[in-house]
Amino acid sequence: GQNIDQPTEMTATEGAIVQINCTYQTSGFNGLFWYQQHAGEAPTFLSYNVLDGLEEKGRFSSFLSRSKGYSYLLLKELQMKDSASYLCAVSDSNYQLIWGAGTKLIIKP
Amino acid sequence: NAGVTQTPKFRVLKTGQSMTLLCAQDMNHEYMYWYRQDPGMGLRLIHYSVGEGTTAKGEVPDGYNVSRLKKQNFLLGLESAAPSQTSVYFCASSPTGVDTGELFFGEGSRLTVL
Repeated sequence: GQNIDQPTEMTATEGAIVQINCTYQTSGFNGLFWYQQHAGEAPTFLSYNVLDGLEEKGRFSSFLSRSKGYSYLLLKELQMKDSASYLCAVSDSNYQLIWGAGTKLIIKP
Repeated sequence: NAGVTQTPKFRVLKTGQSMTLLCAQDMNHEYMYWYRQDPGMGLRLIHYSVGEGTTAKGEVPDGYNVSRLKKQNFLLGLESAAPSQTSVYFCASSPTGVDTGELFFGEGSRLTVL
């Protein structure tokens, strides 16, 4: 079966750095996505990785290792507004998105 | 900038009742999707469409029907609602599909079936 694993919840301090991991086992791979979802709101796109390595976009970076079936989202200089759920999703061999259950990130002052 | 709009935002149904959720997008996107989101689970694809007049089944299509008569609209119907269909429903659209493109989501429709 297809599976995306991410931690259920993480806590971090304002101004710090946090890394949210995602491991996947899918039938084929056509890219990995990270989305942010604030409580009661729609998911919004953060990043897309299809090749190994690190993609940096402002305070957020996303890393991919296809051989290990592993990705992480790195958030720097955490702000209170970063409190949200972070969803990892993989596009499989049929170009269908398989979603993880999400990681709820709690930022403390 | 409307983007993707879903109506209604909230609805309470009794078991056996029917209803339709409407999704409208003003970005001229070809691809549209209906997902459901349940606690502790990832988003699950119900049905999707790759263009006007086309629909296809996703991961969890049973109990739902869809129609895409106009490019900008994607309707999700529940013919006979069941408590297991209590969920938050998200519509999404994209210009190129999920292979490289991001999805643009509506705000969600929270459905409770009693």
